[in-house]
Amino acid sequence: AQSVSQHNHHVILSEAASLELGCNYSYGGTVNLFWYVQYPGQHLQLLLKYFSGDPLVKGIKGFEAEFIKSKFSFNLRKPSVQWSDTAEYFCAVSEVRFGAGTRLTVKP
Amino acid sequence: NAGVTQTPKFQVLKTGQSMTLQCAQDMNHEYMSWYRQDPGMGLRLIHYSVGAGITDQGEVPNGYNVSRSTTEDFPLRLLSAAPSQTSVYFCASSSSGQGVETQYFGPGTRLLVL
Repeated sequence: AQSVSQHNHHVILSEAASLELGCNYSYGGTVNLFWYVQYPGQHLQLLLKYFSGDPLVKGIKGFEAEFIKSKFSFNLRKPSVQWSDTAEYFCAVSEVRFGAGTRLTVKP
Repeated sequence: NAGVTQTPKFQVLKTGQSMTLQCAQDMNHEYMSWYRQDPGMGLRLIHYSVGAGITDQGEVPNGYNVSRSTTEDFPLRLLSAAPSQTSVYFCASSSSGQGVETQYFGPGTRLLVL
């Protein structure tokens, strides 16, 4: 069965710090990978997705993610976070299996 | 387009009561799904539908029923509410489902079962 692991439960950063949120999945076949963001009080929004092709995927708001097949990973990155990035981030495999989420708090 | 809409936004139930969470989308999407979101557990799929008249179980279907009589609507029924069903419920839709297309999420229904 597919599973998704997000390594960090809660990450606290200062503005301008770099961000990397880990996501590992267990599934041997072809997968479609997604990162969603949920801002406080709002519903989930798609940040980026990977189906095939270039393993470095760029999404909205300066986020990117790299698919490393050999490591079964799809980590989310952002070079310089802003206070407005404070949210919960979910990694998903094929949109039916979500990770537990990582809460990001960015201190001004 | 209104996208995916859910009603109610908040609901308090007593154990044993039944209720229906409404979900509607105006994007003519074939695939619709229901998730529950619990702290530390992410989103878990309850039921999904690949088109009108077709529904199937997800990861945590017990205690919930669904039906899909039209493309637009996908209500979720709690037959006899239990405190374990206290959660935030999200409805989502996409044009084809099964991880092929982006899902659009509704604003959620926060349910408290006493």
